[in-house]
Amino acid sequence: AQSVAQPEDQVNVAEGNPLTVKCTYSVSGNPYLFWYVQYPNRGLQFLLKYITGDNLVKGSYGFEAEFNKSQTSFHLKKPSALVSDSALYFCAVRDGGTGGFKTIFGAGTRLFVKA
Amino acid sequence: DAGVIQSPRHEVTEMGQEVTLRCKPISGHDYLFWYRQTMMRGLELLIYFNNNVPIDDSGMPEDRFSAKMPNASFSTLKIQPSEPRDSAVYFCASSLLGGTPYNEQFFGPGTRLTVL
Repeated sequence: AQSVAQPEDQVNVAEGNPLTVKCTYSVSGNPYLFWYVQYPNRGLQFLLKYITGDNLVKGSYGFEAEFNKSQTSFHLKKPSALVSDSALYFCAVRDGGTGGFKTIFGAGTRLFVKA
Repeated sequence: DAGVIQSPRHEVTEMGQEVTLRCKPISGHDYLFWYRQTMMRGLELLIYFNNNVPIDDSGMPEDRFSAKMPNASFSTLKIQPSEPRDSAVYFCASSLLGGTPYNEQFFGPGTRLTVL
């Protein structure tokens, strides 16, 4: 069965510093990996995805994520954090082999960027 | 496009009442998903449809929950009777997945349900 883990409930970073939000996954087939962001009282918004190819994926708002097959990880990164990046971030996985179209979401990591 | 539309945005009801949540997906999308979000359980997939047909309802918590999609532009999630533990934010999402299983989902703004 597919699963995804976000080991940190919360990440704190100072504005201008780099940020990393961690995600690990488990699937039986090829993974399709996603990051979404949720602002207060809003639905989830898509940030970026990994399908195949280059392990470094670039997405919206300056975010990027690095796919590591051996470590089954897909960490979200940004070189310089902004206060406006403060939000709830979800990693998600879909099993490209056997999971159909069901997407499993992690528990979410709350990012606080301090000015 | 207006995006995924959900109504109502907020619903407060009393235990035992019937609740109906509504969703209009993005035009042309072939998959529709219903999720529930709570602090304790996070984001849970309840059910999803492909071309108006329910594909997987294994996440529906009880028989009190039912979902329908009578046409490509409308879906409902009904709770009857409602209970306080059903209080949560319910999201609808749609996606164009036929032939492109790696496409992302587009989420609506959610319905915040409070059952007293």
